[in-house]
Amino acid sequence: GENVEQHPSTLSVQEGDSAVIKCTYSDSASNYFPWYKQELGKRPQLIIDIRSNVGEKKDQRIAVTLNKTAKHFSLHITETQPEDSAVYFCAAPFGGATNKLIFGTGTLLAVQP
Amino acid sequence: GAVVSQHPSRVICKSGTSVKIECRSLDFQATTMFWYRQFPKQSLMLMATSNEGSKATYEQGVEKDKFLINHASLTLSTLTVTSAHPEDSSFYICSAKAGGGTGELFFGEGSRLTVL
Repeated sequence: GENVEQHPSTLSVQEGDSAVIKCTYSDSASNYFPWYKQELGKRPQLIIDIRSNVGEKKDQRIAVTLNKTAKHFSLHITETQPEDSAVYFCAAPFGGATNKLIFGTGTLLAVQP
Repeated sequence: GAVVSQHPSRVICKSGTSVKIECRSLDFQATTMFWYRQFPKQSLMLMATSNEGSKATYEQGVEKDKFLINHASLTLSTLTVTSAHPEDSSFYICSAKAGGGTGELFFGEGSRLTVL
């Protein structure tokens, strides 16, 4: 079925430490994997995405890795800052041509100053 | 980047009434839009895929007669919550893709519905 699992559900780190969030997906045909950041009461904002033809992508302090064989992908945030505190969602497409995005359960990241 | 606008941002209504939420793609055409629902401290749950000029495709467990979706133009999709009940209170968010195939999903601002 259409399933995206995300761990952990909550993550607390000290400012400057790294944070890692992991997701697994069920559809081997999925080929696009975005990560969203959502602040309270706001819309989700895309922070990074990766396509299935690469294994890693980096954008400053944020990186995403993809293991298609194992069907999992991870978000890595280095040198965390208090403003990184938010809920993070992974997502994966299902449904062939429509490519509807199914979201993971979310991770509440708290960066302690 | 592409802009998706959603209106109203907040709405309060009485039980039994209907509420319409609009989702517009402002600078691109969207043949497909998606409607999500988000309860407090939970994830975004896909409700339906809105297809321009045809019927929406609803996810399992979503009542199509309760959540009416209309996608009459390439820039506008509407979600009508009919005969609203307190359990329908939620954050409803629309989204759309700019361009075909797999691509970035752009979200509206969301609409917080409170049913009294």
